[in-house]
Amino acid sequence: EVQLVESGGGLVQPGRSLKLSCAASGFTFSNYYMAWVRQAPKKGLEWVATISTSGSRTYYPDSVKGRFTISRDNAKSSLYLQMNSLKSEDTATYYCARRGPSWYFDFWGPGTMVTVSS
Amino acid sequence: QITLTQQAESLWISPGERVSITCRASQSLLYTDGKHYLSWYQQRPGQTTKALIYHASVRTDGVPTRFIGSGSGTEFTLSIEHVQPEDFAIYYCLQTLKSPWTFGGGTKLELK
Repeated sequence: EVQLVESGGGLVQPGRSLKLSCAASGFTFSNYYMAWVRQAPKKGLEWVATISTSGSRTYYPDSVKGRFTISRDNAKSSLYLQMNSLKSEDTATYYCARRGPSWYFDFWGPGTMVTVSS
Repeated sequence: QITLTQQAESLWISPGERVSITCRASQSLLYTDGKHYLSWYQQRPGQTTKALIYHASVRTDGVPTRFIGSGSGTEFTLSIEHVQPEDFAIYYCLQTLKSPWTFGGGTKLELK
C-alpha cells in the first residue's frame, strides 16, 4: 500500500526557515517523480515543486522559486522541502504527492500545516 | 501560465441525482501525443486527496464507474451519476501540460 507521510510543519516567524519531510513507503520511491502541493486555509490547491527521479531536475512556480528547494534521498525513500525567507502567504497545509507516469498526482499524503506568523 | 476556471464554487444536489462539474482552460490541454493533460481530484474532510481521472477521461484504479471524465481542447467535465452520500466533497481539476502546473479553484458539492 502506497503511503506518504509528511512532517516538520509548525509555527515559524516571517523571514525564517523551515524544512518539511515526507516519508514514502509501499512503492519503489526512486522510480517516481515527487512533488509538493500546498493549500492555504479555506483556499484551493497550489503546486509548489516537483523533482525528478534522480533529483537532478527540479521545477518551481514563480511564487516560491529562489526561496524553496525540493530534494530527495532515494536511499531513505524521503522527500524534502526546504523553505527559506518565509512569508505570511506561505501559510498552508503542505502535501507530498507522487507524480504517476501519466503526469498526474496519483497518491497524496495527509499534509503538514505550516503557519508563518510573528 | 495556463488558467483553469471552475465556474461553480458550489453545486447543490440531492443523492441519486446526476451532476456535472466543468473546468475551462485558457489554452488547449492537448499534447502532440494526442492526450489531454487534465486530471480531476476529490477532497473529503479527514481523507487524503484522491485522484479520480487523468488524461481527461481515464478513471484511476478503484474509482467507481459513476465518475465520468469528458471533454477536449479547453473544455472539460467531471460527471457523477447517481451521486452517493460519500461524493459530497470538493473537486479540483489540474493541468500538467505546461509549467507552472495549475489547479482550478475547486467546486464543492453540497447537499440540497
